[in-house]
Amino acid sequence: AQKITQTQPGMFVQEKEAVTLDCTYDTSDQSYGLFWYKQPSSGEMIFLIYQGSYDEQNATEGRYSLNFQKARKSANLVISASQLGDSAMYFCAMGGTDSWGKLQFGAGTQVVVTP
Amino acid sequence: GAVVSQHPSRVICKSGTSVKIECRSLDFQATTMFWYRQFPKQSLMLMATSNEGSKATYEQGVEKDKFLINHASLTLSTLTVTSAHPEDSSFYICSARDARKKLSNQPQHFGDGTRLSIL
Repeated sequence: AQKITQTQPGMFVQEKEAVTLDCTYDTSDQSYGLFWYKQPSSGEMIFLIYQGSYDEQNATEGRYSLNFQKARKSANLVISASQLGDSAMYFCAMGGTDSWGKLQFGAGTQVVVTP
Repeated sequence: GAVVSQHPSRVICKSGTSVKIECRSLDFQATTMFWYRQFPKQSLMLMATSNEGSKATYEQGVEKDKFLINHASLTLSTLTVTSAHPEDSSFYICSARDARKKLSNQPQHFGDGTRLSIL
């Protein structure tokens, strides 16, 4: 069974600052993928970044980077230079390659960016 | 632009009504689609996996007779909430995986969700 844990229910961050959102996971799969999604108040799920379990380098996508520590089973998201538009709910998710697209989501972290 | 279209975006109806939600992949074929449910301020919970041409696979605790899923074509899956009651009010969101792409190259694409309110 897979489990995703996000321990931060909410965070305030000042505009232009960096913020780290924590995510730990547990799985018995050898091959898996880790995802981060952003969900604004309108509800749509916006894909941010992906990390494969066999990827040796940490994933980066623009202002988003994933701090992947496989031994610790953590996949923290770092948002650099926060913008007001970054205020949203952020979900960490995991998918095993055998389940082929089926995702297990964490509880989410509400981020509020202040001026 | 959106690659998965979900319709309707919002439904308000009376208790006892059946409600159908559509999920369409617009520019790819999706042999598998997923239906999630999200209560306010909570996470997405997978309800079922919709398989084209075969029966859906439901997660534990999800009533298959309450939530009917039909995946009749490679681009369309429907979720019907039968005899809906106020406790079925929730945000329902679908996702579709592009069958041509590996999990590592492309995540599944999410629809914009349907807010269902049963009065």
